[in-house]
Amino acid sequence: ETGVTQTPRHLVMGMTNKKSLKCEQHLGHNAMYWYKQSAKKPLELMFVYNFKEQTENNSVPSRFSPECPNSSHLFLHLHTLQPEDSALYLCASSQGVGAYGYTFGSGTRLTVV
Amino acid sequence: SQQGEEDPQALSIQEGENATMNCSYKTSINNLQWYRQNSGRGLVHLILIRSNEREKHSGRLRVTLDTSKKSSSLLITASRAADTASYFCATDPNNAGNMLTFGGGTRLMVKP
Repeated sequence: ETGVTQTPRHLVMGMTNKKSLKCEQHLGHNAMYWYKQSAKKPLELMFVYNFKEQTENNSVPSRFSPECPNSSHLFLHLHTLQPEDSALYLCASSQGVGAYGYTFGSGTRLTVV
Repeated sequence: SQQGEEDPQALSIQEGENATMNCSYKTSINNLQWYRQNSGRGLVHLILIRSNEREKHSGRLRVTLDTSKKSSSLLITASRAADTASYFCATDPNNAGNMLTFGGGTRLMVKP
């Protein structure tokens, strides 16, 4: 375990469903991130939270809605997704935003049917 | 557009050989990092090299950085079958609010 825990590990959802991905870290890190990893594409940064404040929204469609209730927890709420949203969603944390390595969770493999 | 690009996209070697992967990037950076990803899992941070450093070592890993050429290399010496994974470089551009951007990765296969 890396110290960043993501649940669920796998998720299959219909296009009309609403679901949430959860990320939790107890490393004392202040920054948390959502990345999307699709086949044959580089990791895409989606959202960044620093000290619970969203500092980056990388032109992500509104059907993805992040929530950061505290510096240890990060959620990604999903609704009316499209099949092309199927991907591995990775959460990461770092001590701060800047010259720090990221600690990643194992990811949630999402399939939209 | 993609900030970092790894070369080669795929590499297959025999156990015991050295593996070299390269990364090129476009803009000036604060630091460059290398990560490893086993299939379908999260990424694991390997090493961070700052823009004022030229070389760093960690165990069997050696990373170089040439800011004049905007390139970095990752050398894995005496490779093992367990080194089979994808390896990504990530850059921290100094005009991007310190957000890491990742390259497409090199898929390394080490045959026993």
